[in-house]
Amino acid sequence: DGGITQSPKYLFRKEGQNVTLSCEQNLNHDAMYWYRQDPGQGLRLIYYSQIVNDFQKGDIAEGYSVSREKKESFPLTVTSAQKNPTAFYLCATGRRDRENTEAFFGQGTRLTVV
Amino acid sequence: GEDVEQSLFLSVREGDSSVINCTYTDSSSTYLYWYKQEPGAGLQLLTYIFSNMDMKQDQRLTVLLNKKDKHLSLRIADTQTGDSAIYFCAESIRFTGGGNKLTFGTGTQLKVEL
Repeated sequence: DGGITQSPKYLFRKEGQNVTLSCEQNLNHDAMYWYRQDPGQGLRLIYYSQIVNDFQKGDIAEGYSVSREKKESFPLTVTSAQKNPTAFYLCATGRRDRENTEAFFGQGTRLTVV
Repeated sequence: GEDVEQSLFLSVREGDSSVINCTYTDSSSTYLYWYKQEPGAGLQLLTYIFSNMDMKQDQRLTVLLNKKDKHLSLRIADTQTGDSAIYFCAESIRFTGGGNKLTFGTGTQLKVEL
């Protein structure tokens, strides 16, 4: 079954804790992205990776960290430094070698701070 | 600069046409996209248009692009209740050296009433 798997679907975090959101893909895409979605604000780019072992900050990277040790995986850690982490997090992938590189999305993880 | 704007809400009656508008600011975008998001889910690509085209039609969907005004619209003919969702426009910005990122609008919540 090809696609992008995000887990867990729902995640609860206590204040001061770090949590890691998983994103796995078997589409053989080079590029992977993490977006944050808040009501009325659309999607904002947190981090992206164009190739294994390389990643770049997006527009709202503060309080987040990522790694890209394998092509298939791009986990996102929400650290305690992120002051308002409650949001819907979306992982996406895309091809790097084509002009038309639409993004393919996972089903998202809803993170709630309790 | 990179900023994509959409109106937040649109309400139509079933059977009518819906028109969702988008304004972008980066003239270097080569592809522009429309995505659909149903509640609690990821984004699904609906259609895209290349920047040298004025119009693209795909079944009930018509995309119009006015590159001079940086205006993009999505028309849904014969709107059905299943079309109720959030619609995002996005522009593709190419990085030097390969790869791209998508910048999304704020999303338009379409509500279809009986």
